[in-house]
Amino acid sequence: QTVVTQEPSLTVSPGGTVTLTCASSTGAVTSGYHPNWFQQKPGQAPRALIYSTNRKYSWTPARFSGSLLGGKAALTLSGVQPEDEAEYYCLLYYGGAGVFGGGTKLTVL
Amino acid sequence: QVQLQESGPGLVQPSQTLSLTCTVSGGSIRSSDYYWTWIRQSPGKGLEWIGYTYYSENTYYNPSLKSRATISVDMSQNQFSLMLSSVTAADTAVYYCASLGTYFAWGQGTLVTVSS
Repeated sequence: QTVVTQEPSLTVSPGGTVTLTCASSTGAVTSGYHPNWFQQKPGQAPRALIYSTNRKYSWTPARFSGSLLGGKAALTLSGVQPEDEAEYYCLLYYGGAGVFGGGTKLTVL
Repeated sequence: QVQLQESGPGLVQPSQTLSLTCTVSGGSIRSSDYYWTWIRQSPGKGLEWIGYTYYSENTYYNPSLKSRATISVDMSQNQFSLMLSSVTAADTAVYYCASLGTYFAWGQGTLVTVSS
């Protein structure tokens, strides 16, 4: 059973920078896993932010960026805004099948 | 801009088959641009990827569902569907249909409760 691991929770100050990571139980995450990142606020459906490691959608704020960092997929928020407080999920693909991480609850405080 | 809308029973009895449909508007179900995906979220829990079908020819499933899931496409209705057999209370969740990747779309979700 493949497991995708994210930090359960992180706290960041407004205007600060934070990096969320996404690790695979199978080893280093590469672009071949097509990392995706989603944001979900309470009571709302998830919204996609990043696909294929670092590609943004037209609605993705410029302060969000995706990368590979130290064998993991990473989502970096630079200049965090209060409205960025949310749950963030990564999604990795393994030969076609997708696996979500458990999510990171980001608190802006 | 593709829009997706889930539909189906909100209550399913244990051991029965859950059946949901996703209606695609603003685009064609035949398009090779979209990966027609089902995702679910149990109350208070994280997201779980169920499976997707691509170009109606390639279908991938979450191995943990142990062959209970079937995703199919109805081109005449511009819809794709999910069937999940032998459901238990653990299958109670909000079910979302979506297209992920380059061409993203996400339905509003529908709550399915498994209970007698």
